[in-house]
Amino acid sequence: GAGVSQTPSNKVTEKGKYVELRCDPISGHTALYWYRQSLGQGPEFLIYFQGTGAADDSGLPNDRFFAVRPEGSVSTLKIQRTERGDSAVYLCASSAQSGRYTEAFFGQGTRLTVV
Amino acid sequence: QKEVEQNSGPLSVPEGAIASLNCTYSDRGSQSFFWYRQYSGKSPELIMFIYSNGDKEDGRFTAQLNKASQYVSLLIRDSQPSDSATYLCAVVYSNSGYALNFGKGTSLLVTP
Repeated sequence: GAGVSQTPSNKVTEKGKYVELRCDPISGHTALYWYRQSLGQGPEFLIYFQGTGAADDSGLPNDRFFAVRPEGSVSTLKIQRTERGDSAVYLCASSAQSGRYTEAFFGQGTRLTVV
Repeated sequence: QKEVEQNSGPLSVPEGAIASLNCTYSDRGSQSFFWYRQYSGKSPELIMFIYSNGDKEDGRFTAQLNKASQYVSLLIRDSQPSDSATYLCAVVYSNSGYALNFGKGTSLLVTP
């Protein structure tokens, strides 16, 4: 596609439920990043994939959060037992390489609301 | 704890003036620095990146980096109302792979 695509654009879920957020990166981009952004804050790093493997998952807040990228393209961020504090915009970004110049292109985000 | 600090603003400048946005970072070994612009309700978009000390110019934008003082700034010349947005400073830390670490952003308002 022309850009990074994230679905759904909005998701409302009840506390305790499981959610999946999908990211379809720019075609050919090997690096994929997940961030989350709360109101008035900058994006907070969650996890970075290079190809199929998670090269850095140090930003995942706890074991309720998990992400996969099984074929090195589409990625899914999975959140178990959602809490109200998980409410945020979840941003996905991709880049063509993971070298020094990491121009990351962001998707439009998924706004997650936990009620 | 490593941090990227920005004044949240809002910074208000008149149309045509120079807007100066500042960012400090705590990780002395950081090598890569980025400025992103984010309009309300939209995703961040890259404006400039800088790796070396000194100035880097691109059109109306100039990024300045001073590694000794651990600050990076963004100057916007001839500011336009369309420049009104939140400007995010991002740093790749020396031992954190390739993840961008963002400040909270500075809100810029350019008044006609």
